[in-house]
Amino acid sequence: QVQLVQSGAEVKKPGASVKVSCKASGYTFTSYGISWVRQAPGQGLEWMGWISAYNGNTNYAQKLQGRVTMTTDTSTSTAYMELRSLRSDDTAVYYCARDFSGYYFSWGQGTLVTVSS
Amino acid sequence: VIWMTQSPSLLSASTGDRVIISCRMSQGISSYLAWYQQKPGKAPELLIYAASTLQSGVPSRFSGSGSGTDFTLTISCLQSEDFATYYCQQYYSFPRTFGQGTKVEIK
Repeated sequence: QVQLVQSGAEVKKPGASVKVSCKASGYTFTSYGISWVRQAPGQGLEWMGWISAYNGNTNYAQKLQGRVTMTTDTSTSTAYMELRSLRSDDTAVYYCARDFSGYYFSWGQGTLVTVSS
Repeated sequence: VIWMTQSPSLLSASTGDRVIISCRMSQGISSYLAWYQQKPGKAPELLIYAASTLQSGVPSRFSGSGSGTDFTLTISCLQSEDFATYYCQQYYSFPRTFGQGTKVEIK
């Protein structure tokens, strides 16, 4: 069955970077995109961006432009999301999701990133 | 950017009730709308896509309707496992956007 397994929780200081991984299995990785969505504590869902696992094309949320990079490694069917210059308001659970033409059939379990001095 | 207004933000209901959640777009999106259910501490789960297509395995008491700018999610007979938060999401254009969420709580 389709699975997206994310890396574990992270604690970072303000100004640092974090890189979250998302390992896919159970489907042809390059046939779908991967989107990243985050959720601050007690808040709603925020779309961060999308990457094509086929050709690496990306589309990022305007507010994260310049701080976020999404990549894939097709040899290991793994997607990565790196966020730099972390601030306290980046504290959130970060989800990867298999993107089927813009909606999300399958989700990772989530990775809590805490930004605190 | 397509803005979404989801209402209500909080809905108090009883088991067996029929509940309706609304999602309004700032511009037309045809039928490029999905609905998700999220329970505390869990990832969201897809309920409906293309505005009205039920995802495989989702109970038939869930239904979606609408096109253009106005959409609704209906739960025909609320069950105990349906108490959760629901989100709409448009995928007509980038950036993708989510509604603010509707928490369905026990009355």
